[in-house]
Amino acid sequence: DQQVKQNSPSLSVQEGRISILNCDYTNSMFDYFLWYKKYPAEGPTFLISISSIKDKNEDGRFTVFLNKSAKHLSLHIVPSQPGDSAVYFCAASVGSQGNLIFGKGTKLSVKP
Amino acid sequence: KAGVTQTPRYLIKTRGQQVTLSCSPISGHRSVSWYQQTPGQGLQFLFEYFSETQRNKGNFPGRFSGRQFSNSRSEMNVSTLELGDSALYLCASTSGQGQETQYFGPGTRLLVL
Repeated sequence: DQQVKQNSPSLSVQEGRISILNCDYTNSMFDYFLWYKKYPAEGPTFLISISSIKDKNEDGRFTVFLNKSAKHLSLHIVPSQPGDSAVYFCAASVGSQGNLIFGKGTKLSVKP
Repeated sequence: KAGVTQTPRYLIKTRGQQVTLSCSPISGHRSVSWYQQTPGQGLQFLFEYFSETQRNKGNFPGRFSGRQFSNSRSEMNVSTLELGDSALYLCASTSGQGQETQYFGPGTRLLVL
């Protein structure tokens, strides 16, 4: 049973517009959430994270929103750039445990 | 600071062989976690080592094992390789205390023939 779900395998967005990537989770014990960007045959690159005590975190063009009651988080990228094209993974963890639970990823394509 | 490094980057083995992969964490980090990425299963947690002790373990068979040395470098071993072990193996490191971001290495691509 998937504890972290990214229901959209792919997303296509025009350059300059907003990209919204979604993630749902089932385990209410998760208290730390992260987004990673990944290219094929490379390791994931950390983008942004959020603790369960917050509902929003911003870093430049990236904002993550957390809705604990809905067990839902989203990553907003504004404005989207062609270099943002990659697979984005949502991940969650409990406390200081070193095991991240990943979603299956969403492939973002930003068209010039 | 140098990032997480993994060696080798690419490896080809045949069924039944064993393989050892190496991971050097970011300087000062004491926790190393290992993950397997395959097209069908995505990114799955293998195990975590902290201060030379296995602290967490995922749902993988006993053929998958690991260890950590006093300098925090970690190795992962897979014995009796199967075709399904072909994957990208990733390691990540943190200081190991509290909520922290895991920083990943570039991975080792293993192909089992």
